[in-house]
Amino acid sequence: DAKTTQPPSMDCAEGRAANLPCNHSTISGNEYVYWYRQIHSQGPQYIIHGLKNNETNEMASLIITEDRKSSTLILPHATLRDTAVYYCIVSRGSTLGRLYFGRGTQLTVWP
Amino acid sequence: DVKVTQSSRYLVKRTGEKVFLECVQDMDHENMFWYRQDPGLGLRLIYFSYDVKMKEKGDIPEGYSVSREKKERFSLILESASTNQTSMYLCASSPGLTGTTEAFFGQGTRLTVV
Repeated sequence: DAKTTQPPSMDCAEGRAANLPCNHSTISGNEYVYWYRQIHSQGPQYIIHGLKNNETNEMASLIITEDRKSSTLILPHATLRDTAVYYCIVSRGSTLGRLYFGRGTQLTVWP
Repeated sequence: DVKVTQSSRYLVKRTGEKVFLECVQDMDHENMFWYRQDPGLGLRLIYFSYDVKMKEKGDIPEGYSVSREKKERFSLILESASTNQTSMYLCASSPGLTGTTEAFFGQGTRLTVV
């Protein structure tokens, strides 16, 4: 399974952009990058995913480097409700939607 | 909204009991998954299923079995509960046969085996 590397924790001031990095240097050509988050005592929640191009939705933006070896999840205006563990996942397309979760990054948004 | 519903939020069982954890999804998804989550270990895949009556072992299937008799329901069975199976159990579902779609998770069942 492809591995991802994320910092264990990050802080961000409320209202500022939160930029969460992820390294996935062994990613294969047909593998997607997914981001999920997990708020305390809840199940993980899908945020966004991408293959090669940058992606944006109502929650976040995903920036993938040209060589696809790393990516950044951007929360443009972080709120206290964005405090959560954020998981960067590289999917194996042949395994029917199976997702490998690492340790993730604990993002703490402070007032 | 897609809903993945787990039958219990909290469960306390005795060692040796047979335990059933139920999961139901309402979006006609093909794929369903059972994970357990432990502090410092993250989410680990126990079993998954990509069709009715089909099942595949995940990374830590020992001590567990699963049942998928209907498309919307995926049950996790602890044949003889042990204290090391005390954990948060998470069910998920996703559509399609490739890894390109998002998974939806239930709220989790916190199981304590005493």
